[in-house]
This record gives sequence, C-alpha cells and structure tokens, in this order.
Amino acid sequence: NAGVTQTPKFRILKIGQSMTLQCTQDMNHNYMYWYRQDPGMGLKLIYYSVGAGITDKGEVPNGYNVSRSTTEDFPLRLELAAPSQTSVYFCASNVGLLGTGNSGANVLTFGAGSRLTVL
Amino acid sequence: GNSVTQMEGPVTLSEEAFLTINCTYTATGYPSLFWYVQYPGEGLQLLLKATKADDKGSNKGFEATYRKETTSFHLEKGSVQVSDSAVYFCALFSGGYNKLIFGAGTRLAVHP
Repeated sequence: NAGVTQTPKFRILKIGQSMTLQCTQDMNHNYMYWYRQDPGMGLKLIYYSVGAGITDKGEVPNGYNVSRSTTEDFPLRLELAAPSQTSVYFCASNVGLLGTGNSGANVLTFGAGSRLTVL
Repeated sequence: GNSVTQMEGPVTLSEEAFLTINCTYTATGYPSLFWYVQYPGEGLQLLLKATKADDKGSNKGFEATYRKETTSFHLEKGSVQVSDSAVYFCALFSGGYNKLIFGAGTRLAVHP
C-alpha cells in the first residue's frame, strides 16, 4: 500500500515554462487536495476534488489547473511558471467528509511533496 | 474568516525537556482541531485530533486539549526526544468546504 505518491520530488523551471505535478493514491479515497507550502506561511489549498470528474478551487488557484479523470489520479498543471510559484507542493487525500462520525474521514494522507523552483 | 495562529519557531530544546507549542484559532461554530507533524523530507502526517470542546487528543506521548473558552489547542509533551525534531502544524476543519486550515508551522529541534 503506497498511499499518496507524488512525482517529481524536485524540479527547476524557467519563467514561462509549463509542467505537471503528478499525484496518485491507491487507497480508493474520494477526496483529493493540492496544497502549497511557503516558508513561514503554512499550507494553502490550491484545488481540491470530491470525486472523479469534480474539482473546485481552493484559496490560491490562480496560475494552476487540475483534472480528475480517475479516482486514483489528481495532476496539478502549471501553465506559465512564475517565480511566485516557487514552493513545496503537497498532494493529499481522504476517504470522505471531514468532521463526520467516521474517524477515518478526518485524516488526510499526504504525499512526500514536490519542491518546485522557478527561475 | 477561520484561521489558526501558532507560536513562531524554531523551538530548540534539550532531550527530556518539557515541550509546549501554542496554538489558537478563530472559527465560527465548533471546528475539529488537529496537530500534524512533518518529519524532514516527508509529507505531513496526523499526530492527534480533538473533535469537541474539552476533548484531549493524545499520541506518541503528545497531548492537546480542545479549550473552547480560550480558543486554544496547545501541544504538549513531557519529555522530548531527538526523534521528535520536526515541524508541527496546528489545523482546524472548516465546515462547508471540507478542507483543513493550517497554521504556519513550528519547527522543533531537540538536541542530545
């Protein structure tokens, strides 16, 4: 059981380039999330998905796109990389609605992160 | 809006020292509260949680009590170890959006 797998772990981009961060989970979780972590700023939600074919914006979606064609995969795309997108990106998943009586639904499983630098 | 405020780090302690990391929150209603831990080079993992007022979450010797009167969820451990060195995040569940709101994180460094 691999949990949440992110690739690549590290990437350097030039301004204006595009790339996709991959995220795969093998736990059959319905909910998936993309966060970015900036130093001293905690984690900010970029996009999330409540199931295949359904995505929605989080707090900081500008400059990013997502898709959810399968339950397992939730890729994050950067179309025109900018230095402000230099960050560590985390993908996460959970089985269902947070705050419900199912204790497992309250737990997010995170990937190991992808460090992106835009120069 | 909902928010979480943590004490700034880094916190540097000697092994077997007592640890407190402060966390306060602003939220409407009765949020669930969490502590997540991030070890070097890894993603975040749940450390403990509390879902209602006066609940105490505990795990691996860490404890935190949900205090609604002071809107706090301070993390404590009686005797830290070098292996506890990590970044600790306080978080709350924001109802209606099915998402966690995180604090900025507090880095803990424990020396032998």
